[in-house]
Amino acid sequence: GQNIDQPTEMTATEGAIVQINCTYQTSGFNGLFWYQQHAGEAPTFLSYNVLDGLEEKGRFSSFLSRSKGYSYLLLKELQMKDSASYLCAVMRDDKIIFGKGTRLHILP
Amino acid sequence: DTGVSQDPRHKITKRGQNVTFRCDPISEHNRLYWYRQTLGQGPEFLTYFQNEAQLEKSRLLSDRFSAERPKGSFSTLEIQRTEQGDSAMYLCASSLAVQETQYFGPGTRLLVL
Repeated sequence: GQNIDQPTEMTATEGAIVQINCTYQTSGFNGLFWYQQHAGEAPTFLSYNVLDGLEEKGRFSSFLSRSKGYSYLLLKELQMKDSASYLCAVMRDDKIIFGKGTRLHILP
Repeated sequence: DTGVSQDPRHKITKRGQNVTFRCDPISEHNRLYWYRQTLGQGPEFLTYFQNEAQLEKSRLLSDRFSAERPKGSFSTLEIQRTEQGDSAMYLCASSLAVQETQYFGPGTRLLVL
């Protein structure tokens, strides 16, 4: 089976930094994705971690620890447009299994 | 636009009617996935194709749901005898190969009255 846990909601201030955590338990793990989803829109790809460590891509970074079943998404220099849901998803065998998402609210 | 496209974007139907949705994947993507998403939840896997072959169906997918990808390009998802519980966003995604990033279409929002 699989279990993916992430906070339901978070609030941060424009210009600040926020870290969204994700823990997972799954068999057949082949990597971890982060997707961004604005209300009423489709998910858009942010990052894919297969190996342990930090992947940096502009203002967004993603970290993975396979031994701990743990990942986080770090968002720097927050902008109002970053208000969205952030979905943690694991690649299990050849399917992607999604968590429920973290709704991030950005305050001016 | 070379992304994943879906049609229609919105569908309102009465309970008991049949509906069909279409997905056109990114050209040359072999894998095509269907998901269902309800408010406050992440996308939930329904089924996927490798070219024209349907490789897996979720146990959540009742017999009223059927999907095809006849020529290994576009795919259709049909729901027969719709129920109010079928109201959701139906998302299609494609990937170049196994264990590659999936790219999502805009979704079809279904409302069953």
